[in-house]
Amino acid sequence: AQKVTQAQTEISVVEKEDVTLDCVYETRDTTYYLFWYKQPPSGELVFLIRRNSFDEQNEISGRYSWNFQKSTSSFNFTITASQVVDSAVYFCALWGRNQGGKLIFGQGTELSVKP
Amino acid sequence: NAGVTQTPKFQVLKTGQSMTLQCAQDMNHEYMSWYRQDPGMGLRLIHYSVGAGITDQGEVPNGYNVSRSTTEDFPLRLLSAAPSQTSVYFCASSYRMDRNEQFFGPGTRLTVL
Repeated sequence: AQKVTQAQTEISVVEKEDVTLDCVYETRDTTYYLFWYKQPPSGELVFLIRRNSFDEQNEISGRYSWNFQKSTSSFNFTITASQVVDSAVYFCALWGRNQGGKLIFGQGTELSVKP
Repeated sequence: NAGVTQTPKFQVLKTGQSMTLQCAQDMNHEYMSWYRQDPGMGLRLIHYSVGAGITDQGEVPNGYNVSRSTTEDFPLRLLSAAPSQTSVYFCASSYRMDRNEQFFGPGTRLTVL
């Protein structure tokens, strides 16, 4: 079975602090994809990144960076110099090749960035 | 493109009533799915479809039915609403599940009294 765990339910930081959101996954598939989505207070879900299981390179996009480590089954997300607009719920998700069409989400981490 | 559209945006039902949540996409995506979002539980997959005429169950399928007669539409039916089905429902679609991100609709907030 597949599982995604986001152990941090809520995180609160002050603007300009760096913050890391943890994501740990479980799967028996050797081919799988990991995703991060953002849900701002307005409620829509916004895609941030997709990473496949064969690509362990870290990725940076502006203030966002992702650290994928197969050895620890983790796909952590770091926001550098956080801003108030980063306040949202962030979801990590997993799709495994042998799980049919099931995309499994973690419970989400609510990030609050205070001015 | 309108993307993924959902109707209605809000709905209040009484226990035992039935209704259909509508979902449509105009991107010719093969994969469509329904999720429910509850506080502290993230998004849980209800049903999904990998193409017209093909549907399968997700994590929490009980009390819901789906069908996929066309590529564009993927309605979710509540057979006999229960208070436990009070939730926010999201429909999503993607061209391919593995290589593409899912596009989500704006959500339907359902309350069952």
